[in-house]
Amino acid sequence: QKEVEQNSGPLSVPEGAIASLNCTYSDRGSQSFFWYRQYSGKSPELIMSIYSNGDKEDGRFTAQLNKASQYVSLLIRDSQPSDSATYLCAVKEGGSYIPTFGRGTSLIVHP
Amino acid sequence: SQTIHQWPATLVQPVGSPLSLECTVEGTSNPNLYWYRQAAGRGLQLLFYSVGIGQISSEVPQNLSASRPQDRQFILSSKKLLLSDSGFYLCAWSQTQGAIQPQHFGDGTRLSIL
Repeated sequence: QKEVEQNSGPLSVPEGAIASLNCTYSDRGSQSFFWYRQYSGKSPELIMSIYSNGDKEDGRFTAQLNKASQYVSLLIRDSQPSDSATYLCAVKEGGSYIPTFGRGTSLIVHP
Repeated sequence: SQTIHQWPATLVQPVGSPLSLECTVEGTSNPNLYWYRQAAGRGLQLLFYSVGIGQISSEVPQNLSASRPQDRQFILSSKKLLLSDSGFYLCAWSQTQGAIQPQHFGDGTRLSIL
């Protein structure tokens, strides 16, 4: 049974701070890792993909992957109230069409 | 660029009535297509996926069915809705080439069963 674990939160951070969201996965064959943002009542929106160990930066977002420890994280720098949403981690095994989603972490950025 | 259209946005149906939700993708060919359901406060549950016309894989036994009559069209149906079918239904697509491709979601249909 492939599992992707996320702390449900809510994670509350002040505006301007760094928000750190973590995700662990069970399948060592996983090769593709994705972060989605889901605003309340809306559909998930892809914000980051990462495939290799290390960091990948895109604007205020940094994804970090450590395959040996089986975790992937998302850092949001200079957090804004508009970043308040649920963040879903998704992991895909090599050769699979089907990702495994975590249940998401709720992030609240307060002014 | 690729876009995904899903309709209707909201739907209120009585128990026992039929259902048809439609999803179409533009700007790509031979996409992988998916139907998910998200119950309130819950995670994403994969219902069906398709890797080609007429090819449907079911992940969860239920009273729902899916069809792919055209390359970029995916339909979710039911003959008789149950109260437990309420939820947020999401269609998604991904590129066929390579398992590394992410999924992209439509805007979703919020289904309420009365």
